[in-house]
Amino acid sequence: DAGITQSPRHKVTETGTPVTLRCHQTENHRYMYWYRQDPGHGLRLIHYSYGVKDTDKGEVSDGYSVSRSKTEDFLLTLESATSSQTSVYFCATAGGARNQPQHFGDGTRLSIL
Amino acid sequence: GENVGLHLPTLSVQEGDNSIINCAYSNSASDYFIWYKQESGKGPQFIIDIRSNMDKRQGQRVTVLLNKTVKHLSLQIAATQPGDSAVYFCAEDFSGGGADGLTFGKGTHLIIQP
Repeated sequence: DAGITQSPRHKVTETGTPVTLRCHQTENHRYMYWYRQDPGHGLRLIHYSYGVKDTDKGEVSDGYSVSRSKTEDFLLTLESATSSQTSVYFCATAGGARNQPQHFGDGTRLSIL
Repeated sequence: GENVGLHLPTLSVQEGDNSIINCAYSNSASDYFIWYKQESGKGPQFIIDIRSNMDKRQGQRVTVLLNKTVKHLSLQIAATQPGDSAVYFCAEDFSGGGADGLTFGKGTHLIIQP
């Protein structure tokens, strides 16, 4: 979607290294989300944010942390990457918490060797 | 991503025919539903949504039908085109949930035959 930029788009790194993925939005949306998408699992929520410095865990939060210091930026950090975290990561934003569509970026393909 | 279509149910239709993609949702308390389209290498793209106080909603070439009795949602695409080839999945918003309320289905891979 226009207005949501994820960086980097592709990354290859080694087990044990820290990795940070960035999501930047220009929609001024309050709610932001990080998902991972793996074959056979669909989209699974990692963490989400309901405002600046307000975040909460999702379904698969172990091994991940997030930060949101500005409305427009939501960072996802893998503290010590493992091969099980090889995946495609999507950021999404929404203008409201309920009964609102989430709009997605084009993803980051992360490979951990 | 590129592998999003693997391990998914597949629907193959002829170009120009109508497509119907089905979704069974899980929670009878869900009150809002969305259909997304995901092309290879891209993020999910919003297509159309419907609230539980409606049975049908139409967009451009797409129609969503909601049957709350059997917890079933369908997406109809009229006169399918090659650009409609993608993975389609539904999402439901559980009315008792918080800000993390959307639950996503695994999807159906739509293939358009020339």
